[in-house]
Amino acid sequence: DTTVKQNPRYKLARVGKPVNLICSQTMNHDTMYWYQKKPNQAPKLLLFYYDKILNREADTFEKFQSSRPNNSFCSLYIGSAGLEYSAMYLCATGGRERLFFGHGTKLSVL
Amino acid sequence: GDSVTQTEGQVTVSESKSLIINCTYSATSIAYPNLFWYVRYPGEGLQLLLKVITAGQKGSSRGFEATYNKETTTFHLQKASVQESDSAVYYCALSRWTNTGKLTFGDGTVLTVKP
Repeated sequence: DTTVKQNPRYKLARVGKPVNLICSQTMNHDTMYWYQKKPNQAPKLLLFYYDKILNREADTFEKFQSSRPNNSFCSLYIGSAGLEYSAMYLCATGGRERLFFGHGTKLSVL
Repeated sequence: GDSVTQTEGQVTVSESKSLIINCTYSATSIAYPNLFWYVRYPGEGLQLLLKVITAGQKGSSRGFEATYNKETTTFHLQKASVQESDSAVYYCALSRWTNTGKLTFGDGTVLTVKP
């Protein structure tokens, strides 16, 4: 049973257009995280929520937005997609001991 | 800033042979980070394989082991006898004690186990 769900698995976007990625979790954790994973690179933390408080990493502050209307749901928003946003986006949630990841959404920007 | 280095991008091992995947970490301004190995099996999401939060301790899971060595700042992953089902991508990672979800990952090592 998958407890962190990401939809869709694959997404195509046009340069300059907005992109919204969705994640949901059934574990009732306070935290939710978004990581970006490019081929042959390490997953990189973009931002995370602790409860309703959003924390964005300094080097991605301007590029990504997010919302968390309730404990189970979190979105990642790109206002104007560029080619450099093509990547796998991983959502995760977790307690003090570990993270639980979704399968990811592979975003291709054309 | 913090960093994690995995020197091998790809490793191929024959079934029943031993395995070592190297991991070296650097954590500025924090003496003892938490150390993890995460794994992504084909078609699945990233999942925790093992973790160690105390320097000098060893973690183990599914036949894999890793020892937290603060002197050499290493956290190598080892298995005495690999199986074909161990074929996956392995990521070494660290976090600060205050937020174990804020992970710094290595680039990953693709393990292929030949039958």
